Amino acid sequence: QLLLTQSPSASASLGASVKLTCTLSSGHGSNAIAWHQQQPEKGPRYLMKLHSDGSHTKGDGIPDRFLGSSSGAERYLTISSLQSEDEADYYCQTWATAIQVFGGGTKLTVL
Amino acid sequence: EVQLVESGGALVQPGGSLRLSCAASGFTFSSYAMSWVRRAPGKGLEWVSTISGSGGDTYYADSVKGRFTISRDNSKNTLYLQLNTLRDEDTAVYYCAKMDGSGSYCDCWGQGTLVTVSS
Repeated sequence: QLLLTQSPSASASLGASVKLTCTLSSGHGSNAIAWHQQQPEKGPRYLMKLHSDGSHTKGDGIPDRFLGSSSGAERYLTISSLQSEDEADYYCQTWATAIQVFGGGTKLTVL
Repeated sequence: EVQLVESGGALVQPGGSLRLSCAASGFTFSSYAMSWVRRAPGKGLEWVSTISGSGGDTYYADSVKGRFTISRDNSKNTLYLQLNTLRDEDTAVYYCAKMDGSGSYCDCWGQGTLVTVSS
């Protein structure tokens, strides 16, 4: 079964960096994913598509502070120079024939 | 600029029906698959349904299969979701999303419309 696992929460200080993790289920470790951000009371925002080799394609206007990387079945989103507006929920998404799958999301708190 | 504007959310009783709409602009609507994704209170994003650019192929999550119907009118640049036999657990904000060129992932989102199912 195609599943994505994310830690429910993460926190980091203003100006610091944080690395969020999304893990693909067994047998699906080569899948590409997409990362999305959802700030409070707003619609989601597409951040990037991330491949298994770490290459990624960002959405329009996404700052250089947002970087994607991969290792095995894990997909990472690193946010550097954290700002208050980065406090949000972050979701990974993957896909297969006829289905879309979202991870449970990580709530990022900027201290 | 791509814009997606949802409408049609409302308070509805269990067992009732509702139709959501999503008006699209800023891209060639008929060339892209479109999806509905929802977020229930206190929960994460859940994929609901996807339709191909032509409208000929549709896909549904098991939780809504047989109750919801996705459709589109390419002459009006509008996406629809017909919600029937609504349950309490369908309460959520429903988002319209444009899919990427290969129809794999959402690359643009609307602001959402709230559906509340309650007696």
